[in-house]
Amino acid sequence: QITLKESGPTLVKPTQTLTLTCTFSGFSLSTNGVGVGWIRQPPGKALEWLALLYWDDDKRYSPSLKNRLTITKDTSKKQMVLTMTNMDPVDTATYYCAYSYYFDNKRGSFDYWGQGALVTVSS
Amino acid sequence: QSALTQPPSVSGSPGQSVTISCTGTSSDVGVYNRVSWYQQPPGTAPKLMIYGVNNRPSGVPDRFSGSKSGNTASLTISGLQADDEANYYCSSYTSTSTHVVFGGGTKLTVL
Repeated sequence: QITLKESGPTLVKPTQTLTLTCTFSGFSLSTNGVGVGWIRQPPGKALEWLALLYWDDDKRYSPSLKNRLTITKDTSKKQMVLTMTNMDPVDTATYYCAYSYYFDNKRGSFDYWGQGALVTVSS
Repeated sequence: QSALTQPPSVSGSPGQSVTISCTGTSSDVGVYNRVSWYQQPPGTAPKLMIYGVNNRPSGVPDRFSGSKSGNTASLTISGLQADDEANYYCSSYTSTSTHVVFGGGTKLTVL
């Protein structure tokens, strides 16, 4: 059974750095084809893809946020970390991590999602 | 502005069928059979309903089907039920540096 769960601060101040952790079970990020991605959703708005990390350490970032994002993995801990610098109130959103698979027609889709973590950016 | 274009809302009565469109470009929907659809009831995480244009994950009812023509993908829900009421998002793999793009979402109302 695949599960994912996001954790981190619920409130950050403008200009601060956000660090979110995705802790998962039921799969390994070292298994061929496996990936974990981050997607966010501002209140009342659409989903926005942020980043994806694959089993071979291939990292993909949203071009519009690339300069602010870093993703890393700790395979032994079954965790993935998203770091976003210079937070702004417009970054207020629910942040989701989700399981993906690189091969065949599943590339770019997210089979399993965490419950999401609401992050508010305010002074 | 989202990369994929969806209608803001659609509606239908119980038992009817509805179709939600998702228009992209020749860099995403038009060239790859890697279109996905997600269902998101209010206050919940998205759930994958369709991947690879027309494949259903295990457990998704066959009332949900997907298709694609040119740069436009579609999700059809037949035999509408009250608990189908939710926001629906499409996404696609893209050959650009963006890698994954989402649509703006469509609110389905079951009348």
